[in-house]
Amino acid sequence: DTGVSQDPRHKITKRGQNVTFRCDPISEHNRLYWYRQTLGQGPEFLTYFQNEAQLEKSRLLSDRFSAERPKGSFSTLEIQRTEQGDSAMYLCASSDTSAMNTEAFFGQGTRLTVV
Amino acid sequence: DQQVKQNSPSLSVQEGRISILNCDYTNSMFDYFLWYKKYPAEGPTFLISISSIKDKNEDGRFTVFLNKSAKHLSLHIVPSQPGDSAVYFCAASAQGGSEKLVFGKGTKLTVNP
Repeated sequence: DTGVSQDPRHKITKRGQNVTFRCDPISEHNRLYWYRQTLGQGPEFLTYFQNEAQLEKSRLLSDRFSAERPKGSFSTLEIQRTEQGDSAMYLCASSDTSAMNTEAFFGQGTRLTVV
Repeated sequence: DQQVKQNSPSLSVQEGRISILNCDYTNSMFDYFLWYKKYPAEGPTFLISISSIKDKNEDGRFTVFLNKSAKHLSLHIVPSQPGDSAVYFCAASAQGGSEKLVFGKGTKLTVNP
């Protein structure tokens, strides 16, 4: 399977706990994105990486959220001190920006439920 | 501010007929537009895209039309099939797709047999 892989698929956590999600992009894709989607909304941009460099973070992103892509391959998204409002589907996508007009491919997502 | 708008939350059509999904955008810097299809509990799946240098792009039963002056695009599905039932998201990007995607809220399409 050469698609975008996310782990875990589902996560239930208690309020105040920390959680970490992992994303493995398509091999050799240099761009990696994190999005969040809640019910009735479209995916909302969180942050993206070009190789290992984090190029942009949404101004809406709380400082409880941090993301890394240490070697320019897989990425992790950590949420500290989770809140009920963090419950959402967290989506990872990757693309190859070496060519113009290339689409981003999404993973299956991680469904987070904060209780 | 909603830079990409899909004003119809839902659409219902009969199998075999045409489905037309609409999308409007406000940011004139957007130059690359995409449609994604999403089933429940799955990630979005890329469907079709169009660059701002074109006004139409076709791929099988799917055609996307772009009207830059009106900042409007539409997705046509002909003929519609029950398997097309899903939520369709319009997305836009600047700099030929190298910037982040901005999504609309989606339109839920139901194709009735």
